[in-house]
Amino acid sequence: QSALTQPASVSGSPGQSVTISCIGTNSDIGTYDLVSWYQQHPGKAPKLLISEVTKRPSGVSGRFSGSKSGNTASLTISGLQPEDEADYYCCSYAGGRTFVVFGGGTKLTVL
Amino acid sequence: EVQLVESGGGLVKPGGSLKLACAASGFTFKNAWMSWVRQAPGKGLEWVGRIKSYADGETTDYAGPVRDRFFISRTDSRNTVYLQMGSLKTEDTAVYYCVTNTIEAFFEFWGQGSLVTVSS
Repeated sequence: QSALTQPASVSGSPGQSVTISCIGTNSDIGTYDLVSWYQQHPGKAPKLLISEVTKRPSGVSGRFSGSKSGNTASLTISGLQPEDEADYYCCSYAGGRTFVVFGGGTKLTVL
Repeated sequence: EVQLVESGGGLVKPGGSLKLACAASGFTFKNAWMSWVRQAPGKGLEWVGRIKSYADGETTDYAGPVRDRFFISRTDSRNTVYLQMGSLKTEDTAVYYCVTNTIEAFFEFWGQGSLVTVSS
């Protein structure tokens, strides 16, 4: 069981928007603005999409955005494209002796 | 261009040891924090551990499941970070990724991964 809870799957049609939630606790997401999101295509290494809740690295499409409210972080993908079909993982700093926790991953299907 | 190239993976028996290496290029390695993240077959990502830069004391921290069995070290003169794995268990079977760790929980660049299989 992962420390952060994500839906196992989400889906959307091309051009639509989807939001992936990531539920944590007061010990991680609720305390630290150190949430990141990663995209992973089959057989490939993960790719950073969002850092520090909302920051988008250079080269990442503006269609990806992050937010946080309380113990829940969210990744929104707007204007869905076929190449967005992938697994998405959230991650948060958790301090203490845990340090870093990941979500279990969400499989995005573009219908 | 940042490149991270892992090596050293393979098949090892339960209870055995294995050492992975990650050769880095394209950035100032000596200033970088480096982490290892693993992914069991068909499963999600799991942080393994991290080593800070020399300037930050080369402090190491580890996830609970590997603490006291795995050890991370670095050789800045060779731009290389290592993961020494001991007392290996079948549940350690995974692809191990070397990643740059810009700040806590911020993994910017990833290697291609190295598969470690623990089986008798």
